[in-house]
Amino acid sequence: GAGVSQSPRYKVTKRGQDVALRCDPISGHVSLYWYRQALGQGPEFLTYFNYEAQQDKSGLPNDRFSAERPEGSISTLTIQRTEQRDSAMYRCASSPRGGSTNEKLFFGSGTQLSVL
Amino acid sequence: AQKITQTQPGMFVQEKEAVTLDCTYDTSDPSYGLFWYKQPSSGEMIFLIYQGSYDQQNATEGRYSLNFQKARKSANLVISASQLGDSAMYFCAMREVNTGNQFYFGTGTSLTVIP
Repeated sequence: GAGVSQSPRYKVTKRGQDVALRCDPISGHVSLYWYRQALGQGPEFLTYFNYEAQQDKSGLPNDRFSAERPEGSISTLTIQRTEQRDSAMYRCASSPRGGSTNEKLFFGSGTQLSVL
Repeated sequence: AQKITQTQPGMFVQEKEAVTLDCTYDTSDPSYGLFWYKQPSSGEMIFLIYQGSYDQQNATEGRYSLNFQKARKSANLVISASQLGDSAMYFCAMREVNTGNQFYFGTGTSLTVIP
């Protein structure tokens, strides 16, 4: 696609429900990152992939959070048993090759998650 | 320790004046990249400028320039001739390649341009 696409744009759920957030990166991009951004704050790293391999998941807050990218393209971030503190903007970003310092990240519009 | 530090939560600048947004970083990786992104109220993340750790000259992109002081580990963004449309959040970010390809962001600076 022309840009990084995320869906849904908005997600409202009840506490305790599971949610799945989808990211479709720019076609051919090797690296895919997930960030969480609270209002007025900077993006907080969650995890990233090169191709289908999860390279770093150190930013995932706890074991309720997981991510996958099974075919090296689309990625899903899953939050199980959601809690109100999970409410935030979840952003996906991709970059072409993943191995160069000069590669910028291309961001999607994000999924605004609200847990009631 | 914070990888990226932005000490100015909010800044004001008069239209047509220049403004400097501060950023300091922490890394032991000799190879890294520094980035600035703009986030207007619409929420999108717009790439502004990049500086590589081995670059000898400061990066410039139109009205944006990066004041790179490697020994001090600072990478301040300078916006010249501020415009009303520059009002936004600005994030400094760093990419380390040799230590895991991480991409870290600061907490941001909110810039308001006053007409």
